[in-house]
Amino acid sequence: EAQVTQNPRYLITVTGKKLTVTCSQNMNHEYMSWYRQDPGLGLRQIYYSMNVEVTDKGDVPEGYKVSRKEKRNFPLILESPSPNQTSLYFCASRHVAGGPTRSSYNEQFFGPGTRLTVL
Amino acid sequence: RKEVEQDPGPFNVPEGATVAFNCTYSNSASQSFFWYRQDCRKEPKLLMSVYSSGNEDGRFTAQLNRASQYISLLIRDSKLSDSATYLCAVNTGGASGGSYIPTFGRGTSLIVHP
Repeated sequence: EAQVTQNPRYLITVTGKKLTVTCSQNMNHEYMSWYRQDPGLGLRQIYYSMNVEVTDKGDVPEGYKVSRKEKRNFPLILESPSPNQTSLYFCASRHVAGGPTRSSYNEQFFGPGTRLTVL
Repeated sequence: RKEVEQDPGPFNVPEGATVAFNCTYSNSASQSFFWYRQDCRKEPKLLMSVYSSGNEDGRFTAQLNRASQYISLLIRDSKLSDSATYLCAVNTGGASGGSYIPTFGRGTSLIVHP
């Protein structure tokens, strides 16, 4: 089954304790990204990756790191989590092939979400 | 001004009603447009892409108005199961390699009641 998986699904942690949220997709997608979703603010992009070893900042990258060593995996790292990073996090992936116009319509698939609470 | 704006609602409608949502975007260079459906605490799922000529999928019709910079979603004959939050998304950029920057609206909540 084609899917994006995230782990853990739920996490409660304390300020300053490094954590990693994993993301994996089995669709051979080049593009992967991380979003956070907060009430009243909607989905905001944290980081994205166009392909292996290529990552770029999104709208809200502060306090986060990512890596893309393999095509299927795109972990999100919080080196020193703080309470303002309490949020619902989604990983997503899509193809980029198809040329500039067509590829802009490639469907983005989301993982099931990770609910993070930082105390 | 946020780049993509939606009325958060909630839109509270009876079963069988027709309901329409709009979503405005500020970047005239935006290239592709989408409606996503998100159920409570779940991930967004693509409902439909929005093409220049407008498109229909069963009870759902999406339209794009580039001149006024908005997209719309019309739901006919609403069902209880249509209750959800509907997010619009706009892709901008992407000169090469599909490097589009997606921007999401905050979502419009729809509640369909018996």
